[in-house]
Amino acid sequence: DAGVTQSPTHLIKTRGQQVTLRCSPKSGHDTVSWYQQALGQGPQFIFQYYEEEERQRGNFPDRFSGHQFPNYSSELNVNALLLGDSALYLCASSFYSRGPEAFFGQGTRLTVV
Amino acid sequence: AQSVTQPDIHITVSEGASLELRCNYSYGATPYLFWYVQSPGQGLQLLLKYFSGDTLVQGIKGFEAEFKRSQSSFNLRKPSVHWSDAAEYFCAVGAAGSSNTGKLIFGQGTTLQVKP
Repeated sequence: DAGVTQSPTHLIKTRGQQVTLRCSPKSGHDTVSWYQQALGQGPQFIFQYYEEEERQRGNFPDRFSGHQFPNYSSELNVNALLLGDSALYLCASSFYSRGPEAFFGQGTRLTVV
Repeated sequence: AQSVTQPDIHITVSEGASLELRCNYSYGATPYLFWYVQSPGQGLQLLLKYFSGDTLVQGIKGFEAEFKRSQSSFNLRKPSVHWSDAAEYFCAVGAAGSSNTGKLIFGQGTTLQVKP
């Protein structure tokens, strides 16, 4: 049973560029949440997708957007990258009906230069 | 406002010694509580969770945690620490049901160093 998988593992982008990160949830899970973890900090909730819709959103600008596909996989898109977007981006999967227990992927390390 | 506080940023213990990591939360609804561990450059691994019932919960790797509603605390303990326990530990809180399903609020983390 594969766990949560994320791609790519590392990424270097230039300020102003756009980036897409991908996540496949744990088998059987129907909900994907994205978190941003800056160096030395705890993860911060970006948004959550269920039934291909954004269900909740944290305090992040509209430059951060997402998508969920019929197979429950998800993408996180960030436009107009800033140096401050450099972070570890974590994907978490869960069952929507079972509350907030989430399983995390290994993350994508994004560096903006 | 909902928040999680981990008062200790960094803790150093000797191998074989006992460990307690502190977590205090502020949450209006009935909380779901979690402890996660993160090795350098890795994702988060769930150690244990509290939803309801017995306030002392057992997790993986010999860890346990106790929920104390009166103190709004959920401290993590281990009787004897191993060198492989060195990592970053995060306490998190989430809500059951309602529109907050799935969102976790994390503390700042506690870095555990284990001395040989």
